[in-house]
Amino acid sequence: DSGVTQTPKHLITATGQRVTLRCSPRSGDLSVYWYQQSLDQGLQFLIQYYNGEERAKGNILERFSAQQFPDLHSELNLSSLELGDSALYFCASSPGTSGGREQFFGPGTRLTVL
Amino acid sequence: GENVEQHPSTLSVQEGDSAVIKCTYSDSASNYFPWYKQELGKGPQLIIDIRSNVGEKKDQRIAVTLNKTAKHFSLHITETQPEDSAVYFCAASTFHEKLTFGTGTRLTIIP
Repeated sequence: DSGVTQTPKHLITATGQRVTLRCSPRSGDLSVYWYQQSLDQGLQFLIQYYNGEERAKGNILERFSAQQFPDLHSELNLSSLELGDSALYFCASSPGTSGGREQFFGPGTRLTVL
Repeated sequence: GENVEQHPSTLSVQEGDSAVIKCTYSDSASNYFPWYKQELGKGPQLIIDIRSNVGEKKDQRIAVTLNKTAKHFSLHITETQPEDSAVYFCAASTFHEKLTFGTGTRLTIIP
């Protein structure tokens, strides 16, 4: 158990819908990262937050957005869903710039868009 | 941006033998190289990492080597056991901390 929690574990929805994925980082970690894992694209970085502020952006679609709240949990919002958005979405956390660099991953949310 | 290549994509070894997975990276600014193990239905688990000021690191049956000049790093697993069967990912990052992953190696340990 990495100490990172993600909900829900599974999500099945239809095209055009909007979903929210939730992540709670390890206790004390300030950085949260979101990654997408698909069969054709592998593990891809989406976005990083540090202590409530957006820190880095990767290949995140405009239909996707994220935020980190004062209690440091994070949410990834996916809207206007397409079939190609079906994937595993992982959250990872790390202490941040003043601490260690190790990223610890949660169990993931499997999103299926029908 | 950074590009990480990983080989082989699949690897089968007899139980007790050694397994080696190799990765190359493109960005000379990368200075942190973790390895993750992912079992079916689970998130990636950090198993070992190495920083650019170190050439080799060991943790029991697992070791990682880094050649900064050639921009490649390798994972070595000795005395393999059935529970080592999984998908292994290498990754690289700079001080910005986002990880760029390799494409993964599916390791199968044959009893």
